[in-house]
Amino acid sequence: NAGVTQTPKFQVLKTGQSMTLQCAQDMNHNSMYWYRQDPGMGLRLIYYSASEGTTDKGEVPNGYNVSRLNKREFSLRLESAAPSQTSVYFCASYRGSDTEAFFGQGTRLTVV
Amino acid sequence: DQQVKQNSPSLSVQEGRISILNCDYTNSMFDYFLWYKKYPAEGPTFLISISSIKDKNEDGRFTVFLNKSAKHLSLHIVPSQPGDSAVYFCAASAYGTYKYIFGTGTRLKVLA
Repeated sequence: NAGVTQTPKFQVLKTGQSMTLQCAQDMNHNSMYWYRQDPGMGLRLIYYSASEGTTDKGEVPNGYNVSRLNKREFSLRLESAAPSQTSVYFCASYRGSDTEAFFGQGTRLTVV
Repeated sequence: DQQVKQNSPSLSVQEGRISILNCDYTNSMFDYFLWYKKYPAEGPTFLISISSIKDKNEDGRFTVFLNKSAKHLSLHIVPSQPGDSAVYFCAASAYGTYKYIFGTGTRLKVLA
């Protein structure tokens, strides 16, 4: 049982490059989320998908786009990376409201 | 506007003693609260949760207390063990919103 799988684990980008972070869960959960973790800022919600076919902005959506490809997969895209997007990104899935999240291992992204 | 606050960035406790981690929130619509533990280079893992209809929830060495009038929750770990050394995040959500907002985290160090 893999749980939540994120790829890649590490990535270095140059300013202005684009990339997509992939996330897949095998728990048949309805809701999926993208967070970023920065020192002193905790985990901040970027985008979430309450159910397949829906996506909504979180606290810090600027500079990102998402796609809920199917129930299993939720990707995060940086169209034009900026140094301010250097962070650790976590994908999470929830079975539904008022339940706990399961997190992936994270993607450490550096934009130079 | 930080809706969930953990005002203590770090805490050190002797092994065997009680660890008390605190969390404050501002949104009165929050009705479900969770604590997560995070080790370096790993994703957060769920620890314990509490619904607003309760004021206490226990799971082994971990107890979460909720004071709705003060908009405050705390996590008690008794007795503390060196393996409890990690960063602890509190999180909150309002039923039906599917948005889980995290605090900035408290780094707990349990000294042997």
